Amino acid sequence: GAVVSQHPSWVICKSGTSVKIECRSLDFQATTMFWYRQFPKQSLMLMATSNEGSKATYEQGVEKDKFLINHASLTLSTLTVTSAHPEDSSFYICSAADSVGYGYTFGSGTRLTVV
Amino acid sequence: KNQVEQSPQSLIILEGKNCTLQCNYTVSPFSNLRWYKQDTGRGPVSLTIMTFSENTKSNGRYTATLDADTKQSSLHITASQLSDSASYICVVSPTDSWGKLQFGAGTQVVVTP
Repeated sequence: GAVVSQHPSWVICKSGTSVKIECRSLDFQATTMFWYRQFPKQSLMLMATSNEGSKATYEQGVEKDKFLINHASLTLSTLTVTSAHPEDSSFYICSAADSVGYGYTFGSGTRLTVV
Repeated sequence: KNQVEQSPQSLIILEGKNCTLQCNYTVSPFSNLRWYKQDTGRGPVSLTIMTFSENTKSNGRYTATLDADTKQSSLHITASQLSDSASYICVVSPTDSWGKLQFGAGTQVVVTP
């Protein structure tokens, strides 16, 4: 089945630094990838949609300059949290859709802690 | 208002017992409905996926049902195991908003020995 690899699984960084999270589709080409944020005991909230070779589409209220998304190939999308602050601490999850859009596979998530 | 409502919010069951989780949705039209299992600190893992025309789908001890007329779905867990302790999330995919999945808040299941 489709596999999406997400790295790192957890990261601790100092306030003011930037952190990059990678999302790779291992056995299929992902024309579109999605980035979610999840707070404890809450459901996933869509942050942005990234399409290979074009700019990401951000959901209302999500700062595109803080959460930089790059989808340079059909198998890799990255989310960079710039100038991280403690309020950015959260669980970030990516998902990938195949070209048909029928299947959505989620990555294993990244726990970001900003100290 | 959330278009996908799940109940109960949480439940505790004894190992070996069965349980049923509910999902009511208002998303219309929709192309498919999925149930995911999410372990703490992990990403969601797909259990079942049903198109709007399907009524039931099984995956091992997990059986999902769908009633498109009443806009209800259920997930039945048979002979629960300790490893079934997780959050179970109902996700509906709208037909007219590709990629904008509608997530339920999840049901937290705890299986005790």
